[in-house]
Amino acid sequence: QKEVEQNSGPLSVPEGAIASLNCTYSDRGSQSFFWYRQYSGKSPELIMFIYSNGDKEDGRFTAQLNKASQYVSLLIRDSQPSDSATYLCAVNVGSSYKLIFGSGTRLLVRP
Amino acid sequence: NAGVTQTPKFRILKIGQSMTLQCTQDMNHNYMYWYRQDPGMGLKLIYYSVGAGITDKGEVPNGYNVSRSTTEDFPLRLELAAPSQTSVYFCASSYSPNDPGGYNEQFFGPGTRLTVL
Repeated sequence: QKEVEQNSGPLSVPEGAIASLNCTYSDRGSQSFFWYRQYSGKSPELIMFIYSNGDKEDGRFTAQLNKASQYVSLLIRDSQPSDSATYLCAVNVGSSYKLIFGSGTRLLVRP
Repeated sequence: NAGVTQTPKFRILKIGQSMTLQCTQDMNHNYMYWYRQDPGMGLKLIYYSVGAGITDKGEVPNGYNVSRSTTEDFPLRLELAAPSQTSVYFCASSYSPNDPGGYNEQFFGPGTRLTVL
């Protein structure tokens, strides 16, 4: 069974620090990797996607992918209280468009 | 554009009752999906559709049915509701990726919170 694993947290960081969120996946055929942010009681929204090994930066967010280790991470620099949310890692199934979601990591940014 | 809309926002059902969760998107997306999210968990794919008239099962299809008669609408039918179907249901849509596994951002509706008692 295809799986995506995340530490449920909560991960607590002070305002201005770097938050590091991690995700591992089981399907070696996966090609696309997504990070969604979900505020409490709201729907998920896409913040980053990556499909090549290495780093991809967008503003304060950096996604990192290592296919050999089946590992994807999200770094949030200069964390703000408004970043407090649950971050869901999603991985496509093989070469298809279907996604498998992890259970999410809850991030708390302390003022 | 309204994006993806879902109705109702909340619903309480009794065991054995049936209902239809409505989902509509105005982005002309071919791909649509239904997920359920249990407390503290990620999203589980129930059914998906790659276009009008085409649907297929996801990870957890038992107890549900779908239809896709138009590009815009993708209703989810619950027959004989059970307490195990208590969850938040999200509908999502996306463009057709250029090739399988390519980037295709999924846009989510606001969700329907369903309780079965």
